[in-house]
Amino acid sequence: GAVVSQHPSWVICKSGTSVKIECRSLDFQATTMFWYRQFPKQSLMLMATSNEGSKATYEQGVEKDKFLINHASLTLSTLTVTSAHPEDSSFYICSARAQEANGNEQFFGPGTRLTVL
Amino acid sequence: DAKTTQPPSMDCAEGRAANLPCNHSTISGNEYVYWYRQIHSQGPQYIIHGLKNNETNEMASLIITEDRKSSTLILPHATLRDTAVYYCIVRAHNAGNMLTFGGGTRLMVKP
Repeated sequence: GAVVSQHPSWVICKSGTSVKIECRSLDFQATTMFWYRQFPKQSLMLMATSNEGSKATYEQGVEKDKFLINHASLTLSTLTVTSAHPEDSSFYICSARAQEANGNEQFFGPGTRLTVL
Repeated sequence: DAKTTQPPSMDCAEGRAANLPCNHSTISGNEYVYWYRQIHSQGPQYIIHGLKNNETNEMASLIITEDRKSSTLILPHATLRDTAVYYCIVRAHNAGNMLTFGGGTRLMVKP
């Protein structure tokens, strides 16, 4: 089956620093990747949709200048949390849709737990 | 996308079938029913999806009512590793390909 990886799996950083999270599709090409955020005991909330070679589309209430998304290739998307603050501490999950998917399944990464001190 | 309603939690005995219901009374004709699950501190895992016919794979069975207003995910022989939050999602084919997650059902499989 399709595999999506994320790196790092967890990160602790100081307030005010920036953190980059990578999302890779390992055995397929992903034209579209999605970034979600999940706070404790809550459901996943879509942050943005990223299409290879174009600007990401952000959901309402998500600051595009704070959460920078780059989807430079068909197998890699990155999310950079700029000037992180404690309220940005969350579980960040990416997902990818294969370029020629039949059935529209999305494949999710294992998530990255960000803790901002 | 149509909204779904799921019970917030369910218990199931290990080895027994787990039947997880989902109501989607406002589903439209081009919308599929998808099921994902999320084990604690992991990313969601695709389980199964269907349009109107019942579906079965190695993980589960999906039973969709004739009027498509509700469905049931069946785990035939639940194990402790099936303890997770199960999400029922209704989405039109190619609807931006994004998935909108509701609250899901927290299934606890007990020995």
